[in-house]
Amino acid sequence: AQKVTQAQTEISVVEKEDVTLDCVYETRDTTYYLFWYKQPPSGELVFLIRRNSFDEQNEISGRYSWNFQKSTSSFNFTITASQVVDSAVYFCALSEAREETSGSRLTFGEGTQLTVNP
Amino acid sequence: DGGITQSPKYLFRKEGQNVTLSCEQNLNHDAMYWYRQDPGQGLRLIYYSQIVNDFQKGDIAEGYSVSREKKESFPLTVTSAQKNPTAFYLCASSITQGIGYEQYFGPGTRLTVT
Repeated sequence: AQKVTQAQTEISVVEKEDVTLDCVYETRDTTYYLFWYKQPPSGELVFLIRRNSFDEQNEISGRYSWNFQKSTSSFNFTITASQVVDSAVYFCALSEAREETSGSRLTFGEGTQLTVNP
Repeated sequence: DGGITQSPKYLFRKEGQNVTLSCEQNLNHDAMYWYRQDPGQGLRLIYYSQIVNDFQKGDIAEGYSVSREKKESFPLTVTSAQKNPTAFYLCASSITQGIGYEQYFGPGTRLTVT
């Protein structure tokens, strides 16, 4: 069965520090997608990125970057020069095809609470 | 503005009462989902629907029911059979339920049952 592990329950940093959020996944499928979502205090999850299993290129978007390594089944998320507004819970999720349905579902990790202090 | 609306934001009920949580989307998405989130935990799938008049149980469907009579609406009923109904409930939608499509989330409803 698929599984997503975010071992870091809480991380606290001071503004402008770089921070990396870890995500390790388990799947038997060769075709799958990985996602990161941000949940600010308001509660609504915000989509950040999607990566498919055939594309191991790292991605950078402003202060955000993602490192996907199939060899270690990891999809880590780094925030450079963190800001107070980055404070939120961050979720990693896995989507894989299911034979019994025609589609897929998301399996979420337990989330990492990031607190950026001024 | 396109998006997902959930109402109300906060809901209080007495134990033994059924309660229905609203979820409406105007994104023209085929697939919709209901998740439950407990403090310090990830999201767990309750029910999902790929298309109108069709839905499937997720991982924790016991004590919940849904309907999908219209494409834009996917209400969730928390029945009295749900043993621990107090939680944060999130509704989501995606273009289809195919693999790889991101889900868009509503603002959530925080249900408290006493």
